[in-house]
Amino acid sequence: AQSVTQLDSQVPVFEEAPVELRCNYSSSVSVYLFWYVQYPNQGLQLLLKYLSGSTLVKGINGFEAEFNKSQTSFHLRKPSVHISDTAEYFCAVRGNTGFQKLVFGTGTRLLVSP
Amino acid sequence: GAGVSQSPRYKVTKRGQDVTLRCDPISSHATLYWYQQALGQGPEFLTYFNYEAQPDKSGLPSDRFSAERPEGSISTLTIQRTEQRDSAMYRCASSGDRQETQYFGPGTRLLVL
Repeated sequence: AQSVTQLDSQVPVFEEAPVELRCNYSSSVSVYLFWYVQYPNQGLQLLLKYLSGSTLVKGINGFEAEFNKSQTSFHLRKPSVHISDTAEYFCAVRGNTGFQKLVFGTGTRLLVSP
Repeated sequence: GAGVSQSPRYKVTKRGQDVTLRCDPISSHATLYWYQQALGQGPEFLTYFNYEAQPDKSGLPSDRFSAERPEGSISTLTIQRTEQRDSAMYRCASSGDRQETQYFGPGTRLLVL
């Protein structure tokens, strides 16, 4: 079984500042890791994913995340945020074989102000 | 289709009524998942289908919840005798042959009065 912890329920930041959204997971098996974003009144959109290979993965809209197996973390970063990045961000984990459900964190609301 | 679609987008019902939610996955995707997302929480797994088979129902919270996918494409989630605690966003996702990534629809927001 897997679990995900997103300790920050809300992260306020000024436009053009850098941001890091934290995600820690636990699992007894090897995992795939995902970040999804939910903009207001929209569905969940895949931002980026780690399946294997390079531990630094790049996603849409200038976001990137680094898989750290020893720290069991998959933190999301962006060097300079825009107002339009205001949204809720969900980290999710699943086992890396066969049919596997996604296990989500509780989400982090990113609030970007001018 | 181009993406996962769900209908209705919003549903308001009275306690005790039955509701049926619909999901139309990406056309080439064999696997379809249902999740429930309560306010302030992340989505939680309900069940999934591989074509028309339903190998895992472990997340369905009670026997009032059922899902089907009779022809291996469109799926419905039915909640009988709805209760206020069933109020949530219901999300559907589908994945392709490699099963790695799930693509989500816009969700159905259910409010039980």
